[in-house]
Amino acid sequence: AIQLTQSPSSLSASVGDRVTITCRASQGMSTTLAWYQQKPGKPPKLLIYDASSLQSGVPSRFSGRGAGTDFTLTISSLQPEDSATYYCQHFDSYPFFGQGTRLEIK
Amino acid sequence: QVQLVESGGGLVKPGGSLRLSCAASGFTFSDYYISWSRQAPGKGLEWISYISGSGSTISYADSVRGRFTISRDNAKNSVFLQMNSLRADDTALYFCARDVVRATTTPSDFWGLGTRVTVSS
Repeated sequence: AIQLTQSPSSLSASVGDRVTITCRASQGMSTTLAWYQQKPGKPPKLLIYDASSLQSGVPSRFSGRGAGTDFTLTISSLQPEDSATYYCQHFDSYPFFGQGTRLEIK
Repeated sequence: QVQLVESGGGLVKPGGSLRLSCAASGFTFSDYYISWSRQAPGKGLEWISYISGSGSTISYADSVRGRFTISRDNAKNSVFLQMNSLRADDTALYFCARDVVRATTTPSDFWGLGTRVTVSS
């Protein structure tokens, strides 16, 4: 089964910064990747599907790129409400989440 | 509006059973896959099972296959997760979610708030 490794595991950034989170797959999987945001005590929220398509209602500062084994989620200008944990998820043989990246606002 | 509400969680002894329910509203239920995922305290997300709209396609994560059974009743807009032979590492917040078919992914676009399962003697 394909494994996903997110990096970094955690990061701290300032409002207005450009932030990139990476999700690396153990083997190639086309564009079968989604990204979620989860805040404490809340269910996950879908941000990106098909590796780069923005879910309806999600701010345009969020973007996704990648194919094969390397995928990224970028927040172009960090906002205070973006403090959360971010997960990638692949859909190869069955759905599988990465371990998560905790993003803190300085 | 789309709503998913989980119920049935609680405290159970190791080896015991629980049946979780997910009640859906606000969309044509039989048109959608439904997934169950879970999150152990302080840990990340783990997908555990999905069922197609008709109930004919089902998949499980290795960690629950043979112990958990997913089913649905489209007349009642509900999905169920029968959990048997529960272990301490099944302790988690269990979420149900609606899955939406996209070009290369089937992500979960609406989630419930979860129901908590604690396995302890």
